[in-house]
Amino acid sequence: KQEVTQIPAALSVPEGENLVLNCSFTDSAIYNLQWFRQDPGKGLTSLLLIQSSQREQTSGRLNASLDKSSGRSTLYIAASQPGDSATYLCAVRQAGTALIFGKGTTLSVSS
Amino acid sequence: DAGVIQSPRHEVTEMGQEVTLRCKPISGHDYLFWYRQTMMRGLELLIYFNNNVPIDDSGMPEDRFSAKMPNASFSTLKIQPSEPRDSAVYFCASSPRAGEQFFGPGTRLTVL
Repeated sequence: KQEVTQIPAALSVPEGENLVLNCSFTDSAIYNLQWFRQDPGKGLTSLLLIQSSQREQTSGRLNASLDKSSGRSTLYIAASQPGDSATYLCAVRQAGTALIFGKGTTLSVSS
Repeated sequence: DAGVIQSPRHEVTEMGQEVTLRCKPISGHDYLFWYRQTMMRGLELLIYFNNNVPIDDSGMPEDRFSAKMPNASFSTLKIQPSEPRDSAVYFCASSPRAGEQFFGPGTRLTVL
């Protein structure tokens, strides 16, 4: 059974710092991996989608990488800002299944 | 496109009452998903549909929960009778085949 783990569970950084959020999954047979952002009391906003054949995706200050063979993905946030404070969720999709989510990393960026 | 639409946004009901949650997926998406989010268990799949057909309902907690998708633009999740442990945020999401999933704003359900 696929399991997704995100480390750390919480992270506090000062504004301007570059940071990396980690995601690992136990079964490498995935279709794709998706990173989401969730603000308190809000829904999920899709940040990046990486197909199984891809190694990375970039959007603005965000860069997500995927190493399927080792079951790992990272989300890199450059020059963090207070507005980046949120919970970041990693999720993988396999054949015949829906997304399987990690528990998330709650990020706090202080000004 | 307005994105995935869910209603109601908030629902407060008493134990034993029937609750119906509604979802309109993004036009052209042939997959629709219902998830539930709680503090204890995080985000979990309840059921998903492909071309209006239920494919995997293994996440539906018990017979009190049922979901339908009568056409490509509408789905319902029904809880009857509701219990306090059903209190959670229920999300609907849609996607094209193996593509990016887009989530609705969620329905926050409180069962007293």
